[in-house]
Amino acid sequence: NAGVTQTPKFQVLKTGQSMTLQCAQDMNHNSMYWYRQDPGMGLRLIYYSASEGTTDKGEVPNGYNVSRLNKREFSLRLESAAPSQTSVYFCASNDRDRGRGDTQYFGPGTRLTVL
Amino acid sequence: RKEVEQDPGPFNVPEGATVAFNCTYSNSASQSFFWYRQDCRKEPKLLMSVYSSGNEDGRFTAQLNRASQYISLLIRDSKLSDSATYLCVVNSGGSNYKLTFGKGTLLTVNP
Repeated sequence: NAGVTQTPKFQVLKTGQSMTLQCAQDMNHNSMYWYRQDPGMGLRLIYYSASEGTTDKGEVPNGYNVSRLNKREFSLRLESAAPSQTSVYFCASNDRDRGRGDTQYFGPGTRLTVL
Repeated sequence: RKEVEQDPGPFNVPEGATVAFNCTYSNSASQSFFWYRQDCRKEPKLLMSVYSSGNEDGRFTAQLNRASQYISLLIRDSKLSDSATYLCVVNSGGSNYKLTFGKGTLLTVNP
């Protein structure tokens, strides 16, 4: 199993450009999440999807949109990038539904710089 | 009070030392608790869950005090490979499973 995969690994955008961060998991998890991690701020939840067909806002949703395309894939879109969105973005999925506890698995991250 | 607060660190210890990390959480309804480890420029990975009775995994011991809303992680006989950032993580419960992460404490184990 590949676990959680993210593309791209690195991206540089200019202010105002748009892009979509892709995430996929092959563990048959129902729940998926997008976080951003900034120095001194820790991981903050942007959006999550408790199951296919549902999405909800997290702590810092402004400037982002998400799509839960199917059970495997959960994408994050920046419609008009701003320098404040320079961050490392992590996608995660959760296997709680399988009764194995609350382990959350993370992808390798996307390092985004907005100039 | 922040939802999850950790020792700010950083911690620099020699190999073989015992080191303890502390964490407090503000939501008394929180249901589950974890320590994650994050290596430099890598993703977080679950180190261990924290149970009310306390639990141990080799050199690592986690404790939970619900009355004080306090979580701890003890690492005995530190190894160079323990160098990482340790994240205290809390699930505040509810119908949607959402984790709240502390800012992390950086540990460097020196030879």
